[in-house]
Amino acid sequence: QVQLVQSGAAVKKPGASLKVSCKASGYSFTSHAIHWVRQAPGQRLEWMGWINAGDTKTTYSHKFQGRVTLTRDTSARTAYMELRSLRSEDTAVYYCARTARQLVGDHYCYYMDVWGKGTTVTVSS
Amino acid sequence: DIQMTQSPSSLSASVGDRVTITCRASRSISNFLNWYQQKPGKAPKVLISAASSLQSGVPSRFSGSGSGTNFTLTISSLQPEDFATYSCQQTYTTPWTFGQGTKVEFK
Repeated sequence: QVQLVQSGAAVKKPGASLKVSCKASGYSFTSHAIHWVRQAPGQRLEWMGWINAGDTKTTYSHKFQGRVTLTRDTSARTAYMELRSLRSEDTAVYYCARTARQLVGDHYCYYMDVWGKGTTVTVSS
Repeated sequence: DIQMTQSPSSLSASVGDRVTITCRASRSISNFLNWYQQKPGKAPKVLISAASSLQSGVPSRFSGSGSGTNFTLTISSLQPEDFATYSCQQTYTTPWTFGQGTKVEFK
């Protein structure tokens, strides 16, 4: 079945870097983009960016621009999210999600149809 | 950025109740609006895409409507497994943004 399996929980110190992996199975990896979304405790879901697993094109939320890098390894069928210069406000559950799309008139409406289970990241001194 | 605001932020309801959740965008997003359900400690699950298209496997008691800036998610007859948090998301333009969520609790 289609699934995304994420790496395990991490505890990081302020100023450190974090790299979360997301291994895909059950579908053509390069046919779908992978998005990264995080959720801080008690907060709304927050979109961080996406990577086209086929051509590696990326788009980042301006909030994270310069601090986040999305990559992918097609041979490993795995996407990665690296976040640098961590601060306490980065404490959150980080999700990867696959993109699907639906034609609406002349445009596509994108949505996230398969999600990983999430990776809990704690940033604390 | 497009701001998404849901109302109410929480509600109490009983099994069998009709529940309506609204989502408002800070500017027009056509119908590029999705709804997700999230249970505690779990990842979100897409219920509805493009404002009104029910995802495969989602019960027909869920429905969505709206366009432009105002959208609605309706649960026609609340079931025990529907107690969860519901979030809207716009994918009209990046950064994609989510509403703050509506928590549906047992009365």
